[in-house]
Amino acid sequence: GDSVTQMEGPVTLSEEAFLTINCTYTATGYPSLFWYVQYPGEGLQLLLKATKADDKGSNKGFEATYRKETTSFHLEKGSVQVSDSAVYFCALHSYNQGGKLIFGQGTELSVKP
Amino acid sequence: KAGVTQTPRYLIKTRGQQVTLSCSPISGHRSVSWYQQTPGQGLQFLFEYFSETQRNKGNFPGRFSGRQFSNSRSEMNVSTLELGDSALYLCASSLSVGEGADTQYFGPGTRLTVL
Repeated sequence: GDSVTQMEGPVTLSEEAFLTINCTYTATGYPSLFWYVQYPGEGLQLLLKATKADDKGSNKGFEATYRKETTSFHLEKGSVQVSDSAVYFCALHSYNQGGKLIFGQGTELSVKP
Repeated sequence: KAGVTQTPRYLIKTRGQQVTLSCSPISGHRSVSWYQQTPGQGLQFLFEYFSETQRNKGNFPGRFSGRQFSNSRSEMNVSTLELGDSALYLCASSLSVGEGADTQYFGPGTRLTVL
């Protein structure tokens, strides 16, 4: 079945460092891809999405490009802030799976001042 | 527009009891999905409701059930609670059809602790 694999965390960076969190997926058909962020004690917030190959999703300085040839959707940010400390989840939405979201295991990011 | 709301935010129950969690979707959203989040299993899909009908179901035992009302509000119920049911239960809503129907918006969750 469809699945999502994320790089394991935790990831610790200094403020203003470059961030990459790797995400690869396995899916039949043409899923939509998402990044969600979860701050401590909260639910999931949609960070960005891409619905077809070569689409780039972006929000709050974060970017991810839907790469069908490498089945990847890596999250990047040029300069992280302490406030970016959270858990990041990559997910796919597949109508082949009945419309549910399939999540990666999450990557915890800690940004130090 | 108000976001997804879930009540209660925190619950403490004992083994064998049952519990009901409530979710109000974003206005205009007719699809509601439920997920369980635990440190060991991550985020797992429970079920999805649309137009008062269960449209999709995850791999959970029959102790987990849900329903949706005509105003799209949804409840999930867990009977005969077990220690392993301790988790954050997240509700998400989405448009049912058309552009954006693939995008789910989450509530803050209900933290259930089973003692």
